[in-house]
Amino acid sequence: QKEVEQDPGPLSVPEGAIVSLNCTYSNSAFQYFMWYRQYSRKGPELLMYTYSSGNKEDGRFTAQVDKSSKYISLFIRDSQPSDSATYLCAMSGRGSTLGRLYFGRGTQLTVWP
Amino acid sequence: DAGVIQSPRHEVTEMGQEVTLRCKPISGHNSLFWYRQTMMRGLELLIYFNNNVPIDDSGMPEDRFSAKMPNASFSTLKIQPSEPRDSAVYFCASALRTEVWDRRQPQHFGDGTRLSIL
Repeated sequence: QKEVEQDPGPLSVPEGAIVSLNCTYSNSAFQYFMWYRQYSRKGPELLMYTYSSGNKEDGRFTAQVDKSSKYISLFIRDSQPSDSATYLCAMSGRGSTLGRLYFGRGTQLTVWP
Repeated sequence: DAGVIQSPRHEVTEMGQEVTLRCKPISGHNSLFWYRQTMMRGLELLIYFNNNVPIDDSGMPEDRFSAKMPNASFSTLKIQPSEPRDSAVYFCASALRTEVWDRRQPQHFGDGTRLSIL
């Protein structure tokens, strides 16, 4: 079992829809949670970054972390065709996991006009 | 600001040949990471360096793979001999690692090297 599980999709939604992307994890040492966005033939770029549990909002994007359930989510409001990309969750923690990121496989999202 | 620079962007070579991938991290970053991405396995960490010293190479698939970081501004990933199953996109990422979480800088990725072994 991978330490981070993410449904690869693909996910296809109409413009303006609310998108929900999710990951689960098994390592309770994880404390830092990230979402990366990867456009085709490009490297992943950091989208959202949160520490421990709670919500964080940045424009149309909201990241949620529920450490008790080992579950993280990314919500995209008013989705746009330019949001079409692969979204990867990533996480890291202290101790032996310090310094490295553990990635989900990524969810491929298409937003059609 | 210049991001992480990888070269070459594309590499096509025959099985058995030596392949060298190159990475220039962001200036001032003290951690460097090599990843491999495939459809089947997603993004896998191969090795990472902190202050030019290899910290964790447990992801390196086998002895055919080696990585070096001779100085803070350059790293190489070498595959010798290469095999068709090594075909993937290889990413380099760099970060400024600190012990204070609110100043921790997440990893910044290059655009990768698309490697095809025939």
